[in-house]
Amino acid sequence: LAKTTQPISMDSYEGQEVNITCSHNNIATNDYITWYQQFPSQGPRFIIQGYKTKVTNEVASLFIPADRKSSTLSLPRVSLSDTAVYYCLVGTFNDYKLSFGAGTTVTVRA
Amino acid sequence: KAGVTQTPRYLIKTRGQQVTLSCSPISGHRSVSWYQQTPGQGLQFLFEYFSETQRNKGNFPGRFSGRQFSNSRSEMNVSTLELGDSALYLCASTPGGSGTQYFGPGTRLLVL
Repeated sequence: LAKTTQPISMDSYEGQEVNITCSHNNIATNDYITWYQQFPSQGPRFIIQGYKTKVTNEVASLFIPADRKSSTLSLPRVSLSDTAVYYCLVGTFNDYKLSFGAGTTVTVRA
Repeated sequence: KAGVTQTPRYLIKTRGQQVTLSCSPISGHRSVSWYQQTPGQGLQFLFEYFSETQRNKGNFPGRFSGRQFSNSRSEMNVSTLELGDSALYLCASTPGGSGTQYFGPGTRLLVL
């Protein structure tokens, strides 16, 4: 399994862009990179998934370099409601060989 | 559509007891997977069921088991509870297993 490492915490202010980088040096060829958001007393919520290059949706962007050994989740113009724990997941849901990062607590201040 | 529901939400047991947790997936979803979340080990995959069959299994001892019914509802059972089994148990459903996972709110189990 890929070992997945991400920062423990990050602080930001409303309106700023937050970038969280996840390291996964031994990612396998078939592995995807998925990011989840989790609030207290709730299950994780899917944010974005990618395999290579850049993926963008209505809430975030995911940047994956050519070597795929890391990935960066970008949250544009965060608000107080974006305060949560963000998890990086590497693996596939075909065989469920999954490696979750320990989570990054993002705190957004006014 | 209603989301993934899990019951009970909170549970207190003592060492040696067994426990059964229930998960109802989103209507139409046939795959249900289970995860354990603890402060020390983070999120870990337990097992995945599809059409009543266990398709994938994580690295947990045999005390952890599960099953899925014909209506896709799933249960997981933990026998001979240990203090270290205290955790948030999450289930997630997908239409076919490899798509976006939709998580339930979890069952918080405390073993005393």
